[in-house]
Amino acid sequence: QQQVKQSPQSLIVQKGGISIINCAYENTAFDYFPWYQQFPGKGPALLIAINPDVSEKKEGRFTISFNKSAKQFSLHIMDSQPGDSATYFCAASPPHNDMRFGAGTRLTVKP
Amino acid sequence: NAGVTQTPKFRVLKTGQSMTLLCAQDMNHEYMYWYRQDPGMGLRLIHYSVGEGTTAKGEVPDGYNVSRLKKQNFLLGLESAAPSQTSVYFCASSPGQSREQYFGPGTRLTVT
Repeated sequence: QQQVKQSPQSLIVQKGGISIINCAYENTAFDYFPWYQQFPGKGPALLIAINPDVSEKKEGRFTISFNKSAKQFSLHIMDSQPGDSATYFCAASPPHNDMRFGAGTRLTVKP
Repeated sequence: NAGVTQTPKFRVLKTGQSMTLLCAQDMNHEYMYWYRQDPGMGLRLIHYSVGEGTTAKGEVPDGYNVSRLKKQNFLLGLESAAPSQTSVYFCASSPGQSREQYFGPGTRLTVT
């Protein structure tokens, strides 16, 4: 049973559009919520992360929105580009670093 | 500065064979992790280490053993490989004061 549920499994967006990926969790001990980006044949790389003290964090075109009461968080990619085409994973971790990942979302940005 | 490296990149095993995957990091990170990645399952933590000489079980530890004899190395062992262990294995490391994990390029293991 996955502790972090991610949707959708795949997403196709036109260049310039907004990509939105959602995650939900159950464990209230989670206190760190990162998003990782993975290109084919490569290991995941940290994109952006948030802790539950804030409701939103923005870095360039990437924004995490966090709803503590609903136990949900999402990644928004503004002005999506073909180079953003990758698999995105949300994750959640309690203080002792036992990270749990979502199943992943394959994003395709069409030119 | 190579970051996190994994050896080997690919391996094919027969059921019942054993092997060791090596992870090395040159960033002086305290924490190291082993994950497996399967389609539709994301990454699942097998074992992790919070320092030299220490290891802990993750989400899916059965069938695997690990050792951290040196700070820069984290070994993952399969004593008797099973087809269910066919997967891509990723190693990661993180500094003690930060939760950001740095991943290696992965090892694709096939057990026939």
